[in-house]
Amino acid sequence: GDSVTQMEGPVTLSEEAFLTINCTYTATGYPSLFWYVQYPGEGLQLLLKATKADDKGSNKGFEATYRKETTSFHLEKGSVQVSDSAVYFCALITGTASKLTFGTGTRLQVTL
Amino acid sequence: NAGVTQTPKFQVLKTGQSMTLQCAQDMNHNSMYWYRQDPGMGLRLIYYSASEGTTDKGEVPNGYNVSRLNKREFSLRLESAAPSQTSVYFCASSRGAISGNTIYFGEGSWLTVV
Repeated sequence: GDSVTQMEGPVTLSEEAFLTINCTYTATGYPSLFWYVQYPGEGLQLLLKATKADDKGSNKGFEATYRKETTSFHLEKGSVQVSDSAVYFCALITGTASKLTFGTGTRLQVTL
Repeated sequence: NAGVTQTPKFQVLKTGQSMTLQCAQDMNHNSMYWYRQDPGMGLRLIYYSASEGTTDKGEVPNGYNVSRLNKREFSLRLESAAPSQTSVYFCASSRGAISGNTIYFGEGSWLTVV
C-alpha cells in the first residue's frame, strides 16, 4: 500500500536558519504530493502541493520539489521564523483514491 | 468563510457512553472524510464518503459508524466509547476523487474517554 516516511522530530532551529524536512514515499501509480501544517491547537492547513514529477510547490517561503526518481518531496525554507513553529505533515493521494496518506508529522520549534 | 465546521470542539465521555461528532462543509464538496490523530502516528482515515449516499471504511473503522446525511453533512458516531478512542478527530472535505484535489480540514474535536 501507499506510505509516507518523514524525518523524526522534533527539529529545533534558531530564527533565520535553513530548514529541510525530509519526506519520501511509496505509492502505486502517480501520486499527488502535499505538505500540510498544523499550528498549536488548530486543524491542518494546506501549505503547498505538487501534482506531477518535477513540479515545485511553494508558499510562504516554503518550497518542495516532486522528485520521482528519488520518490521524495522534501520541504525547505531558507530562513525560518518563530511563527513557523508547528507540526508539518507530508501526504500523498494516488489515482482516484482521493484519500490522503499521511506521514507521522515533524514538529518544528524555532527559537530566537 | 466557514469551510469545514465540526462540533463539539471538546468532549469528555465515560467508557460505554455514545456520542456523535457533527461535520458540515459549505464548499459544495462531493467527498468528505473522518480522520483521527494520535501522537506519533500522523492522521489515520476512519471512514470516508466519496459522494452523497456512499460511505466506505478507511484504515481504522472499528468502533465507529458514519452517516452522510446530505451533501453538506457527514457525522461520526461512537456507539460505545472506549479509552482507545481518546484522540483528536478531524473532518475534511474535497471536491472529489481526483488526486490533485486539495483536502480541507476542520479545526478538530478533542475527545477524551475515561
